Amino acid sequence: GQQLNQSPQSMFIQEGEDVSMNCTSSSIFNTWLWYKQDPGEGPVLLIALYKAGELTSNGRLTAQFGITRKDSFLNISASIPSDVGIYFCAGPPPEGAQKLVFGQGTRLTINP
Amino acid sequence: GAVVSQHPSRVICKSGTSVKIECRSLDFQATTMFWYRQFPKQSLMLMATSNEGSKATYEQGVEKDKFLINHASLTLSTLTVTSAHPEDSSFYICSARPRGVANYGYTFGSGTRLTVV
Repeated sequence: GQQLNQSPQSMFIQEGEDVSMNCTSSSIFNTWLWYKQDPGEGPVLLIALYKAGELTSNGRLTAQFGITRKDSFLNISASIPSDVGIYFCAGPPPEGAQKLVFGQGTRLTINP
Repeated sequence: GAVVSQHPSRVICKSGTSVKIECRSLDFQATTMFWYRQFPKQSLMLMATSNEGSKATYEQGVEKDKFLINHASLTLSTLTVTSAHPEDSSFYICSARPRGVANYGYTFGSGTRLTVV
């Protein structure tokens, strides 16, 4: 079953606003990944986090690996129309397999 | 960067027929490929993990005889949906793990929209 809980499930914001979303787990994850999916496309990797406490930026995106290893957040600053899409957190499950499990996703809608 | 090509992007088939979806790593070798299914407004659910030259490992609840996976080379994995039914209609996405890469930033294909009528 799903091991990553993402919130919020959806967001409706104005262009230019900052966005914050997070992902939590009841289990420890040693890697946190943030992907974006556009309609009808596969997910694209935005940021990868490999160390507890790590804070990493990719342009207007910033993500952090929580100290407890049970959460991560993604911030988007000064949103623009092309930020619209679904954002997923993901990570390898605690049992250490190669595979990834995904959160439920946060659907971002931007009003111009 | 690593590119994964998935074909076809869309397919419509009649109920009872089989459909094959290809996933190719274009500029790298992939020892492991993953197949996901995504229903509308839902997350990606892993169906199976395939390693080159060996049998795929299926997730619980996924019928291996219905979803045949072949990973015959380091650049190609195929998913065949056999005897497709309308409930198999979904968005199928593959991803690939480059050979020799230890991190988890896998590259995804662009997905295949399957509609069974």
